[in-house]
Amino acid sequence: ETGVTQTPRHLVMGMTNKKSLKCEQHLGHNAMYWYKQSAKKPLELMFVYNFKEQTENNSVPSRFSPECPNSSHLFLHLHTLQPEDSALYLCASSQGTGGDEQYFGPGTRLTVT
Amino acid sequence: GENVEQHPSTLSVQEGDSAVIKCTYSDSASNYFPWYKQELGKRPQLIIDIRSNVGEKKDQRIAVTLNKTAKHFSLHITETQPEDSAVYFCAARLNNAGNMLTFGGGTRLMVKP
Repeated sequence: ETGVTQTPRHLVMGMTNKKSLKCEQHLGHNAMYWYKQSAKKPLELMFVYNFKEQTENNSVPSRFSPECPNSSHLFLHLHTLQPEDSALYLCASSQGTGGDEQYFGPGTRLTVT
Repeated sequence: GENVEQHPSTLSVQEGDSAVIKCTYSDSASNYFPWYKQELGKRPQLIIDIRSNVGEKKDQRIAVTLNKTAKHFSLHITETQPEDSAVYFCAARLNNAGNMLTFGGGTRLMVKP
């Protein structure tokens, strides 16, 4: 499946590092999302972008900084993370925020040491 | 905001039996209820969804029922097969919340051959 791609697939970083996660969608969608998936927790919506504009920031700590340069690309910049930030970070896209189905990427497995 | 509870958290059935997963939601303004399936190590994928103007929807072995009065909806899988083994997530979307989904905690379904 190549509709929504994410890189890297795995990332190990120290608490003082700065890294970025990348998401790209090839579906012509206008809305993109970042989710956090932790063990034994629901999928947590972090950010929503619609036509490159951020429409939702779900009370996410400032150590997570999203960037959406165009409708096809979404980044999540990470700095001074905590061990509890270790999780699977999933990107998704949909046909506008009124579109129903969200197409997920494969995720980036992040480990903060 | 919306709150979605999902039960059970794990479910083990024998191949050929039926499986039922139930979700309750808190906000009566929610009008769209998708179900996602996430196989081990893979991305979540939409398998079926239902809108608030419909009480039931069926797609081959999968069906979803919605009770708006009680604010709960359920996923029914009949004639389960080993390939149905996965984590299933329900979600709810508020009427005026774009495409922001609130997910349930997930149900790990194991189908024993």
